[in-house]
Amino acid sequence: QKEVEQDPGPLSVPEGAIVSLNCTYSNSAFQYFMWYRQYSRKGPELLMYTYSSGNKEDGRFTAQVDKSSKYISLFIRDSQPSDSATYLCAMSAWQAGTALIFGKGTTLSVSS
Amino acid sequence: DTAVSQTPKYLVTQMGNDKSIKCEQNLGHDTMYWYKQDSKKFLKIMFSYNNKELIINETVPNRFSPKSPDKAHLNLHINSLELGDSAVYFCASSQDTPTDTQYFGPGTRLTVL
Repeated sequence: QKEVEQDPGPLSVPEGAIVSLNCTYSNSAFQYFMWYRQYSRKGPELLMYTYSSGNKEDGRFTAQVDKSSKYISLFIRDSQPSDSATYLCAMSAWQAGTALIFGKGTTLSVSS
Repeated sequence: DTAVSQTPKYLVTQMGNDKSIKCEQNLGHDTMYWYKQDSKKFLKIMFSYNNKELIINETVPNRFSPKSPDKAHLNLHINSLELGDSAVYFCASSQDTPTDTQYFGPGTRLTVL
């Protein structure tokens, strides 16, 4: 089993839809959870950051972490064509010398 | 002013050649990284340096050698290029640890023929 699993999609939705993106993981030591957004032919950029369990909201974006189920989600409300990108979950246990582990990314397309 | 820059953006070369990719960050960060992103968008860490010291060295062939002349620069040299090395290579930097926000460069698209 891979450390981080993410459905690669692609996912196509109409403008205004609510989008749910998910990752599961196997390492119970993970405490830091992030979502990066990557536009085509660009580098990833941090979108949301959550430490341990709980929810975090930023505008139209909500990140949820359920450590008991080893499951994280990113919700996008009122999706816009500008949200079309690849979304990568990332997580780390942060011990010295450990790296950020990325999911394979989900490609989202929002049509107007 | 670009935060993390990489050169070149595109690199097309023959199998067996040696090539280098350069990375510079002007954010004052202590830690820099090299990632490889394959055709399926899977982003995997290769190396990480903190203040010029190697702290993460994932299972990467010896043909790949990072070099950090100072904490603002992290270069990647690849010897004897193989077809499987074709990918997009991203440089990134963060303030200190990998869990700090990582800022990525625009990527170098390497094609080995």
